[in-house]
Amino acid sequence: NAGVTQTPKFRVLKTGQSMTLLCAQDMNHEYMYWYRQDPGMGLRLIHYSVGEGTTAKGEVPDGYNVSRLKKQNFLLGLESAAPSQTSVYFCASSHRQITEAFFGQGTRLTVV
Amino acid sequence: DQQVKQNSPSLSVQEGRISILNCDYTNSMFDYFLWYKKYPAEGPTFLISISSIKDKNEDGRFTVFLNKSAKHLSLHIVPSQPGDSAVYFCAASAYNNNDMRFGAGTRLTVKP
Repeated sequence: NAGVTQTPKFRVLKTGQSMTLLCAQDMNHEYMYWYRQDPGMGLRLIHYSVGEGTTAKGEVPDGYNVSRLKKQNFLLGLESAAPSQTSVYFCASSHRQITEAFFGQGTRLTVV
Repeated sequence: DQQVKQNSPSLSVQEGRISILNCDYTNSMFDYFLWYKKYPAEGPTFLISISSIKDKNEDGRFTVFLNKSAKHLSLHIVPSQPGDSAVYFCAASAYNNNDMRFGAGTRLTVKP
């Protein structure tokens, strides 16, 4: 049972490049989330989804887009990467409205 | 604005002693609180939670206390073990709101 899997684990982008982070969960969870973690800031919610085909904005959505075409997958896209998006990104899923969430191992993204 | 605050970036305790991690919040709508533990290069893992209808919840060596009037919660670990050394995040959410807010984390070091 893999739980929540994120790919890639590391990535370096140049300013202006685009990329997609993939999150996959095998627990049949309805809810999925994308967070970013920055020093001294804790985890901040970027976007989330309450089911297949739905997405919603979180606390810091600007510069990101998401899609949930399949229940088990939640994609996070950066359209034009900026140095301010250098961060560690975590995907999470939960069975219902966020109570106990299961997190992936994280993706460390550096934008130069 | 940071609605969940963990004012101690780090805490060091001796093995066998009690560890007390503190968390304050400002949003009176929060009614569910969680603690997550995070080891380096891993995603956060759920530790313990408490609903606002309770003032204490216990799970083995871990106890969370909630003081709603003071908007304060704390996590007690007794006895502390070296394997407890990690970063602990406090999180809070309001019913039917997926925007769970996290504190900045407290790094706990338990010395043998």
